[in-house]
Amino acid sequence: AQTVTQSQPEMSVQEAETVTLSCTYDTSESDYYLFWYKQPPSRQMILVIRQEAYKQQNATENRFSVNFQKAAKSFSLKISDSQLGDAAMYFCAYSNNNAGNMLTFGGGTRLMVKP
Amino acid sequence: KAGVTQTPRYLIKTRGQQVTLSCSPISGHRSVSWYQQTPGQGLQFLFEYFSETQRNKGNFPGRFSGRQFSNSRSEMNVSTLELGDSALYLCASSLVAGRDYEQYFGPGTRLTVT
Repeated sequence: AQTVTQSQPEMSVQEAETVTLSCTYDTSESDYYLFWYKQPPSRQMILVIRQEAYKQQNATENRFSVNFQKAAKSFSLKISDSQLGDAAMYFCAYSNNNAGNMLTFGGGTRLMVKP
Repeated sequence: KAGVTQTPRYLIKTRGQQVTLSCSPISGHRSVSWYQQTPGQGLQFLFEYFSETQRNKGNFPGRFSGRQFSNSRSEMNVSTLELGDSALYLCASSLVAGRDYEQYFGPGTRLTVT
């Protein structure tokens, strides 16, 4: 079974600074997908960034980028120029073709942004 | 395009009762997945429906069931409610099932069992 682990229950960052959220996963599959979702206080889950395991290049979306280390099974999220609106729960998630759209989530990291 | 809608948004039920939650996917989306979110267990996959067929099921007791209609709307039902069923229930829709399609989440239904 696949597992996703987020070892940082809480993180804080100063506005305009950079923060990195960690995620490790365990799978025996070679073709899979990794995601970072943001869940603000409204509870609406929003996809932040997605990485296909077969792509060696790290995904980037504006201020959000990932460091994907396939051999180490590590998938960290870097948020640059942090903004107050980035404050939320962040979930790392995994899926693979055999599981359809099923996502396996990590336990989440609560990010606080200090003005 | 309207987003994923879930009704009701909040619900209070008593132990032993049953409940039905509804999810309307984004127009054109054919896959609907359901998740339970609790402080203790986190986000857990319940089941996924695609074209009215259950494609995948998580590790939940048989009290949890679901279905999907021909218009892709989905319902999940929980019978004989227990206190531990109190949770935020999220549904997500996707154009099709599988790799290249983003899943869009609804705002959730907050179920409280007393």
